[in-house]
Amino acid sequence: GNSVTQMEGPVTLSEEAFLTINCTYTATGYPSLFWYVQYPGEGLQLLLKATKADDKGSNKGFEATYRKETTSFHLEKGSVQVSDSAVYFCALSDRGRRALTFGSGTRLQVQP
Amino acid sequence: DAGVIQSPRHEVTEMGQEVTLRCKPISGHNSLFWYRQTMMRGLELLIYFNNNVPIDDSGMPEDRFSAKMPNASFSTLKIQPSEPRDSAVYFCASSPTGQGTEAFFGQGTRLTVV
Repeated sequence: GNSVTQMEGPVTLSEEAFLTINCTYTATGYPSLFWYVQYPGEGLQLLLKATKADDKGSNKGFEATYRKETTSFHLEKGSVQVSDSAVYFCALSDRGRRALTFGSGTRLQVQP
Repeated sequence: DAGVIQSPRHEVTEMGQEVTLRCKPISGHNSLFWYRQTMMRGLELLIYFNNNVPIDDSGMPEDRFSAKMPNASFSTLKIQPSEPRDSAVYFCASSPTGQGTEAFFGQGTRLTVV
């Protein structure tokens, strides 16, 4: 079956530091890949997505590239802000099963 | 559009009581999902509907849980009888047709069973 593995958190960074959150997946066929963000007390919001190999999703300074050869979709940001503090979820969906499969989430804490 | 609307936002109930969570998906979306989020198990898919028909309910924990979607604009998740281990945040999400389309989440219902 499908699965998503994320790096354990929390990740604690200083403001303006570089961020990488690793995500690898297992799926049959060619899944679509997503990063969602969850702020305290809120639902999940789509941050970015990629639907085919070598696609790069980007939004609000965050980027992730769909790497089929390494089955990865790592999230990066060049300079984090305190307001980026949240939990980040990597997820996938495939043609046969449209429901999203989520990773366990990575909590990011950015200190001023 | 107002987005996915869930009610109530918070629910506190006593063990053994029936609990009903409600969801209004985004108009025009034909897939609806119920997820449960806990610290121990993360985000778990409970059930999903396509065009109001349940497609996969393998994540429903046990017979105490049931979900319905009587029309395209409304779904319920019912727990009867409720137990303390059902305490969690329950999210509803909807998505339109098409490969690669994302799901849009509601704000969630925080359920506490005492």
